[in-house]
This record gives sequence, C-alpha cells and structure tokens, in this order.
Amino acid sequence: AQKITQTQPGMFVQEKEAVTLDCTYDTSDQSYGLFWYKQPSSGEMIFLIYQGSYDEQNATEGRYSLNFQKARKSANLVISASQLGDSAMYFCAMREGRLIIQGAQKLVFGQGTRLTINP
Amino acid sequence: ETGVTQTPRHLVMGMTNKKSLKCEQHLGHNAMYWYKQSAKKPLELMFVYNFKEQTENNSVPSRFSPECPNSSHLFLHLHTLQPEDSALYLCASSQENQPTDTQYFGPGTRLTVL
Repeated sequence: AQKITQTQPGMFVQEKEAVTLDCTYDTSDQSYGLFWYKQPSSGEMIFLIYQGSYDEQNATEGRYSLNFQKARKSANLVISASQLGDSAMYFCAMREGRLIIQGAQKLVFGQGTRLTINP
Repeated sequence: ETGVTQTPRHLVMGMTNKKSLKCEQHLGHNAMYWYKQSAKKPLELMFVYNFKEQTENNSVPSRFSPECPNSSHLFLHLHTLQPEDSALYLCASSQENQPTDTQYFGPGTRLTVL
C-alpha cells in the first residue's frame, strides 16, 4: 500500500490565487513527521515546511502553510498569493517513527503534483 | 559555499564506462543519502550513511557503489550501468536527533546511460 498519496498529478492556478495541494498518508505510528518539498525544473529539491505528528498547531512558513488533519491523515500544503515562480513539482514526504539513535531517518515520498501558475 | 553541492550536474556515459558522482555538504550534518529519481516514479532511497557508516542499502544493484570518506563527502561510483539507470541522482544530508531531522538536498546529477 502506498504510504503517501498525492492525487493531483497536475494543477493550473491563476497568479495571486491561493492553491491547495493534497497529501494523504498511511501509518500506524503515533510519532511521525511530514514534509513538503518543491522541485523546480532545474532539479533541486527545496525544503518548504515540516509538521510533526504531535504539533498541535498547523505549521506555517511565509506563504506556505500546512493544513494538518490528523484524524483524516491528511497534510495538505496551502500556498497563498501564488506567484509565477511557484510553478514546480511539489512532493509530500513522511518520516515514520521517532527519531532513532542508530541509522538516519528514512523519508517516503509521494508521486508529486506539478503546479503551473498562469499569469 | 553553502548547502549541499553535487558534481557533475550532467553526465553522459556508455555502459562500459566507470564514473563517479560527488556530493559535499557544508551544513555540519552527520547523515548523508543517495536517492534516485526516475521519470514518473517517486524518489527512491538508495543508500544512507550515518556518521560515515552505511546504515541502509535499499537492494541497490552492485553496479552502484557508495563511498563516504567523512561526514561531509559522499560519492557514488558507477560501473557497467544500464540504460534504465538513466535518472536524476540526488544527494541529501540531515542532522540526526534534531527536532525535525529535515533532509536538505543538492541540485542533483542528471545521468544518461547510452
């Protein structure tokens, strides 16, 4: 079963509009972390925002916010006032389990959503 | 120079060649990762190094050989690759046991195997 599901392969949004990118996850762990990354056409993966499973408030970073609904296992990314430079692939990822001493964390990524901002 | 750097950015090689990808992180992290990103597939974790020790090998074929001489440098040695190995290879680093343990990625090496 897929751990991370991003149901929107592509989205087209008008500049300055807000956009929500969907992400649902599957885990039986109580402690986990959720990440969103942006990948422009140049290839680098840019970290945007993080939400811990025990965080009571939704994470925010500038124009990015994470709509975290734990009971529904969803972690949607909201971009306010979209800009042309927001056009890129967006990936949702999950780290399961508590941070462990031995061995670094493993991230599981979704398939991604290609966001296109129209002028 | 800051962040995570990767060289070369683009590489074209024949199936009989031997080449190496290099990754360097300037973030003081102690864990480094290699990922493979093929078209229309999610990122696949290949190798994980923690304090220079390999802690994960995700059933990667032996034609890919990682090397981590210190916590700042990571190499991926390539030999007798197949055309299906053509992909974007991304390196990442993280600092373990920090509150978020976020992975920071390099710009990637786009590999084409002829």
